[in-house]
Amino acid sequence: SAVISQKPSRDICQRGTSLTIQCQVDSQVTMMFWYRQQPGQSLTLIATANQGSEATYESGFVIDKFPISRPNLTFSTLTVSNMSPEDSSIYLCSVEDHGRGKLLGTDTQYFGPGTRLTVL
Amino acid sequence: AQKVTQAQTEISVVEKEDVTLDCVYETRDTTYYLFWYKQPPSGELVFLIRRNSFDEQNEISGRYSWNFQKSTSSFNFTITASQVVDSAVYFCALRTSGNTPLVFGKGTRLSVIA
Repeated sequence: SAVISQKPSRDICQRGTSLTIQCQVDSQVTMMFWYRQQPGQSLTLIATANQGSEATYESGFVIDKFPISRPNLTFSTLTVSNMSPEDSSIYLCSVEDHGRGKLLGTDTQYFGPGTRLTVL
Repeated sequence: AQKVTQAQTEISVVEKEDVTLDCVYETRDTTYYLFWYKQPPSGELVFLIRRNSFDEQNEISGRYSWNFQKSTSSFNFTITASQVVDSAVYFCALRTSGNTPLVFGKGTRLSVIA
């Protein structure tokens, strides 16, 4: 499986500021995903980021609040903009590689270590 | 719509006991994929197993075993002789074909007491 790293691992931010989270993979992957996990809750998909195209956002998430970049097949960033305390969560990057001949959307998703964000 | 239900919010067991974590799923698709992930206190999500809908064979990996039953739409996870290091939140997840998102259950927090 791919090795995924995220930066920063944790941060404490002030209300109204923005934070950019980086996700780096040690191999080229087709699909990258960003999830949010609010305290004590399950994971919710924010968006799917494919290289060379605009990110696809899930219901309830918008590009202005969570802009995403995917400049190449090993890297992506998620920005949490104009933060409020409600944005305090763990943000996880996930990857899926279907390049081994499997159908898109059928492979296993592997997750990064997460970024623990606290907004004061 | 896809849905995953983990009815057990929290389970507490004494070390060396066996414990089963329940997972019930809903989908109208005939092709789908089921997963279990472990999230220890450190926060990362660790992949444990993936099972395809057309493969009902149960699986054992060390102290871990999984029971997949399509008749009851369940994909239960059993830990035999539990250890303190098994303490974590365990998530069951479902994905159908066609590039749909991974749908997670709410998770079961397992505490293993020494």
